[in-house]
Amino acid sequence: DIQMTQSPSSLSASVGDRVTITCRASQSISSYLNWYQQKPGKAPNLLISAASSLQSGAPSRFSGSGSGTDFTLRISSLQPEDFASYYCQQSYSTPLTFGGGTKVEIK
Amino acid sequence: EVQLVESGGGLVQPGGSLRLSCAASGFTFSNYWMHWVRQAPGKGLVWVSRIKTDGSSTSYADSVKGRFTISRDNAKNTLYLQMNSLRAEDTAVYYCAREAYGAFYWGQGTLVTVSS
Repeated sequence: DIQMTQSPSSLSASVGDRVTITCRASQSISSYLNWYQQKPGKAPNLLISAASSLQSGAPSRFSGSGSGTDFTLRISSLQPEDFASYYCQQSYSTPLTFGGGTKVEIK
Repeated sequence: EVQLVESGGGLVQPGGSLRLSCAASGFTFSNYWMHWVRQAPGKGLVWVSRIKTDGSSTSYADSVKGRFTISRDNAKNTLYLQMNSLRAEDTAVYYCAREAYGAFYWGQGTLVTVSS
């Protein structure tokens, strides 16, 4: 199974901050990497697919990069509605696996 | 509008069974692979199972293999998860998800609680 390691597991940031979340795969997954945002009590929502493709409706302050084993989700200027948990997910092989999540909290 | 609506969750005793349903609308259900993903309270997301467009191929996480069965009825636009021999560690919100190019679009989830 491919292990997905996210870091940090949590972070505190202020509105307007630039935030970076990383995800590392235990083996190469090319660009088969997706990012989701999840707010408390809600279902996850797809933000970025194929490592860097921003989903329709997702704010442009979100961006994704990387390939192979190392990936990054960036939020250029944190907004109040961005305080949530973020998960990476590999779609390279079954079982499909998720990172452990990053909780973004208000400083 | 794409909609996935799960139902069938609830409280069940250890060793019991439950069948989850996911009603799909707003898209051509038979064109998409479908998945179940679960999330234990306060924990992360864990993939459970997937099924091919026509139901001819299925896959399961090791933790549920032999106990859970995924199926679909394309005529009814509905996905199912039959869960048998339930354990306390199966307690979670269960989400159905539509796969498109490896990425998931999610339903709102249904809570399954396994407890005596």
